[in-house]
Amino acid sequence: DTEVTQTPKHLVMGMTNKKSLKCEQHMGHRAMYWYKQKAKKPPELMFVYSYEKLSINESVPSRFSPECPNSSLLNLHLHALQPEDSALYLCASSQIGQTGLYGYTFGSGTRLTVV
Amino acid sequence: DQQVKQNSPSLSVQEGRISILNCDYTNSMFDYFLWYKKYPAEGPTFLISISSIKDKNEDGRFTVFLNKSAKHLSLHIVPSQPGDSAVYFCAAKETDDKIIFGKGTRLHILP
Repeated sequence: DTEVTQTPKHLVMGMTNKKSLKCEQHMGHRAMYWYKQKAKKPPELMFVYSYEKLSINESVPSRFSPECPNSSLLNLHLHALQPEDSALYLCASSQIGQTGLYGYTFGSGTRLTVV
Repeated sequence: DQQVKQNSPSLSVQEGRISILNCDYTNSMFDYFLWYKKYPAEGPTFLISISSIKDKNEDGRFTVFLNKSAKHLSLHIVPSQPGDSAVYFCAAKETDDKIIFGKGTRLHILP
């Protein structure tokens, strides 16, 4: 299995809703990432988990809450989002220390619309 | 301030010809550079990387050149094929885990 699987592919939520994005990989990668991508912009790093521990939080608002329950799963819990949070949310994984050689493996993303 | 810059938002190339995508960077501490390809509604796909100690890396139709003194790298695709039409992101490894992306260049391969 050489894929990163993200669910759901599309999500529409209201500003008072609570929802979660899910990401799964079975490549044995011990680093997992959440990126946010707005239209015609580069992916922007949000969070990095290394060995299931949060290692980087790029000053992301607390309405985004990541969780890494085990080495294969990564969640992003969403609460009280704003319309400007509408974007493509990408999950990625990599081998620790080999990011430069092999890069990240990205999932297809969740297209989030906040109404 | 952008540390990885792709100054051409789009590029059109005839099928069969060479596509050259350019990228500039500002941080001399970057030790790896990567290229990703992205189709609509899909995540970016890793294409090829190059270490800062090398000046060229080749993989099939894809070759990446690095000019450290100019802080410039380029991706060459030869020959260009219709399936190469996509957005190409240049990226640089800042730390063991963190990659910084450029804004991307949309490549159109013309029949």
